[in-house]
Amino acid sequence: DTEVTQTPKHLVMGMTNKKSLKCEQHMGHRAMYWYKQKAKKPPELMFVYSYEKLSINESVPSRFSPECPNSSLLNLHLHALQPEDSALYLCASSQDRQGRSPLHFGNGTRLTVT
Amino acid sequence: GQNIDQPTEMTATEGAIVQINCTYQTSGFNGLFWYQQHAGEAPTFLSYNVLDGLEEKGRFSSFLSRSKGYSYLLLKELQMKDSASYLCAVRDGGGFKTIFGAGTRLFVKA
Repeated sequence: DTEVTQTPKHLVMGMTNKKSLKCEQHMGHRAMYWYKQKAKKPPELMFVYSYEKLSINESVPSRFSPECPNSSLLNLHLHALQPEDSALYLCASSQDRQGRSPLHFGNGTRLTVT
Repeated sequence: GQNIDQPTEMTATEGAIVQINCTYQTSGFNGLFWYQQHAGEAPTFLSYNVLDGLEEKGRFSSFLSRSKGYSYLLLKELQMKDSASYLCAVRDGGGFKTIFGAGTRLFVKA
């Protein structure tokens, strides 16, 4: 069982819809991440939060909007997406920003944009 | 720039030993990770190296040479369930970014 929980597991949305992906961890981790993964490709970093503050935005289009309401929760708000945004969206957390702490991934949300 | 190279695919026989290589060129270095990812599932952490040398954990071992920008993952006594993608990932000098290689798809045959 994963200790990082993502909801929903699957999401189908139209290009005019607004939806949100949710991620929760209760391991006391202080760094949280959003990755995007296309089929047979490695995860690509989108955003990093450290101590609830946005630390890295990898030049992600503004139609993706992250939010970290508290140290346990991470959201990704979606608006006016394109079909090419269809992918597996992975949330991850790590104990802190130090090198030794590995990423713990959730099972992901498989997003399809129609 | 950031560059992490791994072989695309490998095939090995059940019970055998396989070595998956990874070379990297990154802006700063704060550790190298190996993750396993089964199809349709999330990556799971296997090993971490930050100093040169070999780290052993059961059937899995990982080696690092920082001067050569080189690592390998060694899997012993292969089992069918080891068929998966193996991702080499480097954490940059600042500590926030973990960049993944394209992954090596390992097929274990009977």
